[in-house]
Amino acid sequence: SQQGEEDPQALSIQEGENATMNCSYKTSINNLQWYRQNSGRGLVHLILIRSNEREKHSGRLRVTLDTSKKSSSLLITASRAADTASYFCATSAGGTSYGKLTFGQGTILTVHP
Amino acid sequence: DAGVIQSPRHEVTEMGQEVTLRCKPISGHDYLFWYRQTMMRGLELLIYFNNNVPIDDSGMPEDRFSAKMPNASFSTLKIQPSEPRDSAVYFCASSFSTQGASPLHFGNGTRLTVT
Repeated sequence: SQQGEEDPQALSIQEGENATMNCSYKTSINNLQWYRQNSGRGLVHLILIRSNEREKHSGRLRVTLDTSKKSSSLLITASRAADTASYFCATSAGGTSYGKLTFGQGTILTVHP
Repeated sequence: DAGVIQSPRHEVTEMGQEVTLRCKPISGHDYLFWYRQTMMRGLELLIYFNNNVPIDDSGMPEDRFSAKMPNASFSTLKIQPSEPRDSAVYFCASSFSTQGASPLHFGNGTRLTVT
């Protein structure tokens, strides 16, 4: 079963608007990562947040992590048409699952020019 | 750096045939992962290796699936015999271990169609 569940499943916005995607997970994690996948391509790593961090920024991306609620959010500010893609959260449990990532089902983001 | 290289990009085969997917990870990476992506089941981890040794193959669906990593620069995923339900996009990814907090680098996948 998938560890991470993204919400919403699909999001459609206009260029310049902000996009927020949420991820919930079930078990304790070592870190949580966000990936982007353009149509017909492999996944590309965006940002990693460790379990002892609450917020992280990278360019127009802002990620938050709430381990008490077992949830994370990805905010893309001032979206562009080029941000159109699927976005996945992935969790690493650490321990005996060292190095292993479990992915959610993803959010399909469409940014209209 | 050329990134993770997978071949072929597309494979169309008939049910019952053997299929071999290939992957060249990024040089210096010590973890290699095989994932399968379908609309119905999303991204599923099939198997992963550390330093060429299989660590967890619990995601391999059946004995028809096998994976090898004979050296640090090459891995194969074989399906024999193939079935229509194996149709999916198969991704290879690699990473460099840093206390479990390493991003995965994905190849562009092999789209497999079994008729």
